[in-house]
Amino acid sequence: QVQLAESGGGVVQPGGSLRLSCGASGFTFSNYGMHWVRQAPGKGLEWVAVVWHDGGSKYYADSVKGRFTISRDNSRNTLSLQMNSLRVEDTAVYYCARDLHSQYFDYWGQGSLVTVSS
Amino acid sequence: EIVMTQSPATLSVSPGERATLSCRASQSVSSNLAWYQQKPGQAPRLLMYGASTRATGIPARFSGSGSGTEFTLTISSLQSEDFAVYYCQQYKNWPPYTFGQGTKLEIK
Repeated sequence: QVQLAESGGGVVQPGGSLRLSCGASGFTFSNYGMHWVRQAPGKGLEWVAVVWHDGGSKYYADSVKGRFTISRDNSRNTLSLQMNSLRVEDTAVYYCARDLHSQYFDYWGQGSLVTVSS
Repeated sequence: EIVMTQSPATLSVSPGERATLSCRASQSVSSNLAWYQQKPGQAPRLLMYGASTRATGIPARFSGSGSGTEFTLTISSLQSEDFAVYYCQQYKNWPPYTFGQGTKLEIK
């Protein structure tokens, strides 16, 4: 069955960096686009970034553009999110999610909490 | 950017009754709309895509309708496990993919 598992979350000071990973199993990873979606405490869902199945195209939300970098390693079935220049408002649970034809998100990981605080 | 607006913010319904949740887009998204259910401490789960197609394993008591800018998610007879937060999401024009702010469905 499809499984997505995030790791790498934690507490970081404002201006710091953190790298999230998402391990995928149960499907052909290289056939699917992959996203990061975040949810601030007690708030709704916010799309963060997408990388196409072959890594050829990447898109970002304006709120993270220039600070976050999405990448993937299809040989290791792994999705990553490098987060630099972190701000307090980046505090959230970060979910990785599988994409079907650049449309909706049919499978989600369990999430990884990132807390940006001094 | 397409703005998605859900109403009401909170809906109180008794088990066994019908619940109707609304989602409005700031411009037409055709039928490029999905619905998700999220329970406390859990990841969102895909319920519906294409505005009216149930995702795999979703019970028939869930139905979706609408196109253009107005959409509805209906749960015909509420079960205890249906009380959760529901989000709509458009995938017509991206980036960014945008979500509604959510409707909390609570037990009356």
